Amino acid sequence: DSGVTQTPKHLITATGQRVTLRCSPRSGDLSVYWYQQSLDQGLQFLIQYYNGEERAKGNILERFSAQQFPDLHSELNLSSLELGDSALYFCASSVSGKYNEQFFGPGTRLTVL
Amino acid sequence: GQQLNQSPQSMFIQEGEDVSMNCTSSSIFNTWLWYKQDPGEGPVLLIALYKAGELTSNGRLTAQFGITRKDSFLNISASIPSDVGIYFCAGQKPRSNDYKLSFGAGTTVTVRA
Repeated sequence: DSGVTQTPKHLITATGQRVTLRCSPRSGDLSVYWYQQSLDQGLQFLIQYYNGEERAKGNILERFSAQQFPDLHSELNLSSLELGDSALYFCASSVSGKYNEQFFGPGTRLTVL
Repeated sequence: GQQLNQSPQSMFIQEGEDVSMNCTSSSIFNTWLWYKQDPGEGPVLLIALYKAGELTSNGRLTAQFGITRKDSFLNISASIPSDVGIYFCAGQKPRSNDYKLSFGAGTTVTVRA
């Protein structure tokens, strides 16, 4: 158990809908990262938050957004869903700083029908 | 897309064998991390490397940070059935304030009993 929790474990929805994925980092970790894992693209970095502020953006679509709350949990919002958004979405956390050991949560499997 | 070239893509190994996989990049990295992912689970951190030339072990696993800072390898000694899974390398670039990781495409390991 990495100490990172994600909910829900599975999510099935229809095209055009909006969903919210939730992540709680390990105790003491200030940074939260979101990754998308699909069969053809592998693990792709989406976005990072550090202590409530956006720190970096990767290949994140404009239909996707995220935020980190004062208690450091984070939410990833996916809207206007398309079939191609079906994937595993992982959250990772780290203390941040020089030694960037990121610990991953169990993931949310999103299926868009 | 993937910035790290990981090889081999897959391997079948005999129980008890020693195996090796590696990761190369055209860019320099400050940090190399190796993760293992079981089906339906999040990646689990195996080894972290922070210094060129560093050789680090974790049980039967040994990883090295290449002296050019553009490559890393992971060795598994005396393979056992629970070594099955997908192994990912990940790197963090220098002078990066965001600490995001770039991942290889993974090496799928299957053990022949």
